[in-house]
Amino acid sequence: SAVISQKPSRDICQRGTSLTIQCQVDSQVTMMFWYRQQPGQSLTLIATANQGSEATYESGFVIDKFPISRPNLTFSTLTVSNMSPEDSSIYLCSVETVDTEAFFGQGTRLTVV
Amino acid sequence: EDQVTQSPEALRLQEGESSSLNCSYTVSGLRGLFWYRQDPGKGPEFLFTLYSAGEEKEKERLKATLTKKESFLHITAPKPEDSATYLCAAVVSGTYKYIFGTGTRLKVLA
Repeated sequence: SAVISQKPSRDICQRGTSLTIQCQVDSQVTMMFWYRQQPGQSLTLIATANQGSEATYESGFVIDKFPISRPNLTFSTLTVSNMSPEDSSIYLCSVETVDTEAFFGQGTRLTVV
Repeated sequence: EDQVTQSPEALRLQEGESSSLNCSYTVSGLRGLFWYRQDPGKGPEFLFTLYSAGEEKEKERLKATLTKKESFLHITAPKPEDSATYLCAAVVSGTYKYIFGTGTRLKVLA
């Protein structure tokens, strides 16, 4: 298993600003992912955070809006840039272990006003 | 198009009343089928991974099964603490892409 710490747990931000979310894992993992869960909806993959290279984004998500860093095998950040109320959501960090089990952080509840 | 559909959307059970949740999937190839439990305000908690048709896994009052088209999460004699949203996700072969269903909100009444 893996223990994931995500910060902040929640935030209220002004539109037009940016928020950086941190994800720390208690062990080295190859695969780290960022998801979005909009109110009343399921999880949607934003991107795969690749260590030492640029993140791989899913359709509908772009680097300018959601820049991601992955400096090592235990840490990643997701920035939500130039926020609008439509970005209000829960953002989740996930890792996949060698047992191919995917674990999630507690999420960051973002409200943009 | 790869797709996962869960039913019912919501389910209310009396304590001790067993039932099943359904997860139907259509993917180009299945690497694994995952079940998670999500409590309000928290991230999904891993429950099971199933890899091939016919596979079954159990954990306390929960039992997950898998066929070539769907998975079931059977809840035997549920308790109020089993109340949560249950999510399933299909992972496409050769990828790490998890396709989540919209979940089943389970409420168990004492």
